[in-house]
Amino acid sequence: DTGVSQNPRHKITKRGQNVTFRCDPISEHNRLYWYRQTLGQGPEFLTYFQNEAQLEKSRLLSDRFSAERPKGSFSTLEIQRTEQGDSAMYLCASSSTVFKGYDANTGELFFGEGSRLTVL
Amino acid sequence: AQRVTQPEKLLSVFKGAPVELKCNYSYSGSPELFWYVQYSRQRLQLLLRHISRESIKGFTADLNKGETSFHLKKPFAQEEDSAMYYCAFQGGSEKLVFGKGTKLTVNP
Repeated sequence: DTGVSQNPRHKITKRGQNVTFRCDPISEHNRLYWYRQTLGQGPEFLTYFQNEAQLEKSRLLSDRFSAERPKGSFSTLEIQRTEQGDSAMYLCASSSTVFKGYDANTGELFFGEGSRLTVL
Repeated sequence: AQRVTQPEKLLSVFKGAPVELKCNYSYSGSPELFWYVQYSRQRLQLLLRHISRESIKGFTADLNKGETSFHLKKPFAQEEDSAMYYCAFQGGSEKLVFGKGTKLTVNP
């Protein structure tokens, strides 16, 4: 397992277009998170899944953003009608709430390398 | 509101000098706190968490509930410590809330 994988790594699009990012988490991880990071800022929480259930969404998340994790494995983040303000690095992370058969949420997130979006 | 504050955007020290990266949080309950690090051209990764009370790469951090702080310290900085450091907080929710980060540069 090579860790959390994100595709595409870079995306340049014109304002108004739709874009979709994919995240493949570490295979045994049941939790998957999406974060957004802009220059000079820390990662900003967008949403997270436990298995296929989306358990929390940021109130800052516009209706143009939607995320899915249909089979509890990979996830997609779609941004519709992109705006220049959507330009950012989109980070995916995964974690596990189970360790050696026990409920042991260590809080450690394993991050992908990110998908950089540029909206022209 | 839950918030993590890292007051220093940039911190520069010489090799062998002590280093302290500051982190303050605002939360009325019992938080879980973490330090994440991002080295150049690498992905963000966990450095240490307060519940482990461990020292990683010579770094330690103590949770001070009275001062609501979780400062990261190392007595003798090394050049390979140069990186972006993010303090992160978890409280009342499963999400991690990150600070804006401090860029540490260790000069030779």
